[in-house]
Amino acid sequence: EADIYQTPRYLVIGTGKKITLECSQTMGHDKMYWYQQDPGMELHLIHYSYGVNSTEKGDLSSESTVSRIRTEHFPLTLESARPSHTSQYLCASSSLSTGVTGANVLTFGAGSRLTVL
Amino acid sequence: KNEVEQSPQNLTAQEGEFITINCSYSVGISALHWLQQHPGGGIVSLFMLSSGKKKHGRLIATINIQEKHSSLHITASHPRDSAVYICAARQGAQKLVFGQGTRLTINP
Repeated sequence: EADIYQTPRYLVIGTGKKITLECSQTMGHDKMYWYQQDPGMELHLIHYSYGVNSTEKGDLSSESTVSRIRTEHFPLTLESARPSHTSQYLCASSSLSTGVTGANVLTFGAGSRLTVL
Repeated sequence: KNEVEQSPQNLTAQEGEFITINCSYSVGISALHWLQQHPGGGIVSLFMLSSGKKKHGRLIATINIQEKHSSLHITASHPRDSAVYICAARQGAQKLVFGQGTRLTINP
């Protein structure tokens, strides 16, 4: 079954460490997104990609960086983690095709919950 | 004022009740998404619609483009429907503007 995978699901790390959150999808979607969500709050777009070698910053200022070397892979990196980076990070992908509900056009990963001490 | 407003913010109902969650938006959109987020944080995409009405099981989503309003209905609600429901307006190819979510609790 096609899906979108995020690792790690949970990460507790000390200040100043470099971390990479992995996101992979098996659906061949061109567009991929990273969202940040604090508990009980809205999702905010921090990065997106239209395809290989295409990355853009989103609406929310973020100190993270992304890369898109392969269609299926869209990792997010924090060079030096800080407590203010504590949040949930959600990866998503989308395509233009629509099914009965249109729901398959946007697929989310399970999220990576990051805690920086 | 948020570009996407949902109401109510919190909704508690008894099992079996008919549920309506509303979403109003003030921006031009190419489509509107309804998402479901469970307590563990996982998000499931329920519907994407740009006009009319879509139905899947006990869920129905409608949109009125002229009035810039969408509704999500749940028939014969069940405790497993308890979740946060989020509407998101798609602007262009990549931008999604999210509502603040509606926390639904269905009591047995």
